[in-house]
Amino acid sequence: AQTVTQSQPEMSVQEAETVTLSCTYDTSESDYYLFWYKQPPSRQMILVIRQEAYKQQNATENRFSVNFQKAAKSFSLKISDSQLGDAAMYFCAYKSGTASKLTFGTGTRLQVTL
Amino acid sequence: GAGVSQSPRYKVAKRGQDVALRCDPISGHVSLFWYQQALGQGPEFLTYFQNEAQLDKSGLPSDRFFAERPEGSVSTLKIQRTQQEDSAVYLCASSLREIGALVYYEQYFGPGTRLTVT
Repeated sequence: AQTVTQSQPEMSVQEAETVTLSCTYDTSESDYYLFWYKQPPSRQMILVIRQEAYKQQNATENRFSVNFQKAAKSFSLKISDSQLGDAAMYFCAYKSGTASKLTFGTGTRLQVTL
Repeated sequence: GAGVSQSPRYKVAKRGQDVALRCDPISGHVSLFWYQQALGQGPEFLTYFQNEAQLDKSGLPSDRFFAERPEGSVSTLKIQRTQQEDSAVYLCASSLREIGALVYYEQYFGPGTRLTVT
């Protein structure tokens, strides 16, 4: 079974600075997707960024980028120019290419300070 | 357009009561998922529908949990004889369709129902 591990329960970053959230996963599959989701206090999960395993290029979405290291099974999220609105729980998630469900990590709570 | 909606947003049940949680997916979305999120944890998969067919129910924790989607749109998650360990946020997600490795359709999540069993 696939597992997703987030070893940082909490992180803090100053506004306008850069922060990196870590995620490792375990799988024996070659086709899969990786995601970072943001969950604010309203509880609604919002997709931040997606990476297909077959793509070598790291995904970027505006201030959000990933460092995808397939051999090391590592998938970190970098948030540049942090904003107060970035404060939330961030979940790393895995989706097999042959199954429909998402497997989530335990989350990292990000605080953004002035 | 409208997103995924869930009702009620909050539910308090006494131990042993039955509860029903509703999910209205985005119109036209074929796939529907239920996840359970315990306090301080990430969501865990419960079950998945493609139209009205329940294709995967491997995550349902016991036979007290039952989900249905009879007309391929609205879904209901029913929990019978609730226990304290059932207290969690129940998230519903829908996607346009789900056809495997080569094409991915985003799962859109609802706001969840927070169930508290006393």
